Amino acid sequence: AQSVTQPDIHITVSEGASLELRCNYSYGATPYLFWYVQSPGQGLQLLLKYFSGDTLVQGIKGFEAEFKRSQSSFNLRKPSVHWSDAAEYFCAVGVGGSNYKLTFGKGTLLTVNP
Amino acid sequence: EPEVTQTPSHQVTQMGQEVILRCVPISNHLYFYWYRQILGQKVEFLVSFYNNEISEKSEIFDDQFSVERPDGSNFTLKIRSTKLEDSAMYFCLSPKGGRGYTFGSGTRLTVV
Repeated sequence: AQSVTQPDIHITVSEGASLELRCNYSYGATPYLFWYVQSPGQGLQLLLKYFSGDTLVQGIKGFEAEFKRSQSSFNLRKPSVHWSDAAEYFCAVGVGGSNYKLTFGKGTLLTVNP
Repeated sequence: EPEVTQTPSHQVTQMGQEVILRCVPISNHLYFYWYRQILGQKVEFLVSFYNNEISEKSEIFDDQFSVERPDGSNFTLKIRSTKLEDSAMYFCLSPKGGRGYTFGSGTRLTVV
């Protein structure tokens, strides 16, 4: 069975600083990988996804993520954080094909200081 | 833009009551998934539904839960006798082929 680990429960950065959120997965085959963002009391917004091909994936809101098979990682990055990026971020892994079952990590809460 | 609409957005119910959460896809979808997120915790898979039957369910999805597609359009999650621990956000995922992984806006269920 697949699993996801997000090592950082809470990260605080200053506005304008760069950001990297870590995600490690466990899955025997080539995974489908996702990052979602959730503001308090809100739903899950898909930031980006990786299925195959180029290992550097661009998403919405200026986010990108890089798939590194050798490290079983899919870290999320943003070069300059905005105050509106404060939210909870979830990494997820899927098996792909016609199976849309996802396994989520526990999330990383991002706080942005002015 | 979400591929599905979930209703209600928020429901408060008394412990022991039955609740029905609805997921309305925009077009003729075949795959339906329910996920749950207890406050402050991660999102967890509950059940998947394809071709009018359950294709997979998690250990969370016990006999208190059921799913159906009563009218060929709406997809419902029923909790027969709610418990306090059922309080959570419930999300529907209903991709139409391709690679749709956009969740519905969710239903916040509060059991009192």
